[in-house]
Amino acid sequence: DAKTTQPPSMDCAEGRAANLPCNHSTISGNEYVYWYRQIHSQGPQYIIHGLKNNETNEMASLIITEDRKSSTLILPHATLRDTAVYYCIVRGRNTDKLIFGTGTRLQVFP
Amino acid sequence: EAGVTQFPSHSVIEKGQTVTLRCDPISGHDNLYWYRRVMGKEIKFLLHFVKESKQDESGMPNNRFLAERTGGTYSTLKVQPAELEDSGVYFCASSQELKGGGIYGYTFGSGTRLTVV
Repeated sequence: DAKTTQPPSMDCAEGRAANLPCNHSTISGNEYVYWYRQIHSQGPQYIIHGLKNNETNEMASLIITEDRKSSTLILPHATLRDTAVYYCIVRGRNTDKLIFGTGTRLQVFP
Repeated sequence: EAGVTQFPSHSVIEKGQTVTLRCDPISGHDNLYWYRRVMGKEIKFLLHFVKESKQDESGMPNNRFLAERTGGTYSTLKVQPAELEDSGVYFCASSQELKGGGIYGYTFGSGTRLTVV
């Protein structure tokens, strides 16, 4: 079973920041938080991952709380192309499986 | 760099027939994974190859599914005989170890949509 909980859906206006929350209260010390997204009819796409520090790349920022029990994926300027299902996944260093939950369906509107 | 390629993109077969799905990973990626999403369910792990060896096949649903990766390059996933509940989207992914080992992100293909009628 997935170790994360996410809201089933969110809306965001184009050009605004999209903030997608994720709870992972049972995360252990050697587990990373990964984010993937799936745009309709495509395979999942890696976005970002982190352990305890905040991370930023060209796609997004990942904010992890100090107790590591939750995180937020931030898309700073959402576009219509960011409409997708976003998956937050907890994964151990020595584990290769990704356990997908139901994700958050983000709808970006004009 | 070419991405992960899967074919066919769609396949419609009758119950009891055999279907073979193919995945070409990114060149040089030793790790290859199969996942699938059946109707209304989450994406589920099937198995993991490291080069030509099966590292983890704990997600394979039953012995009607056979995955191979001869020579450590492309992989095939055969379903024989196919059943109605096998309908879904089958994804392949590949990855490369980061220098120093540890965590890496996967690159997924676009999937094969299998419909068993």
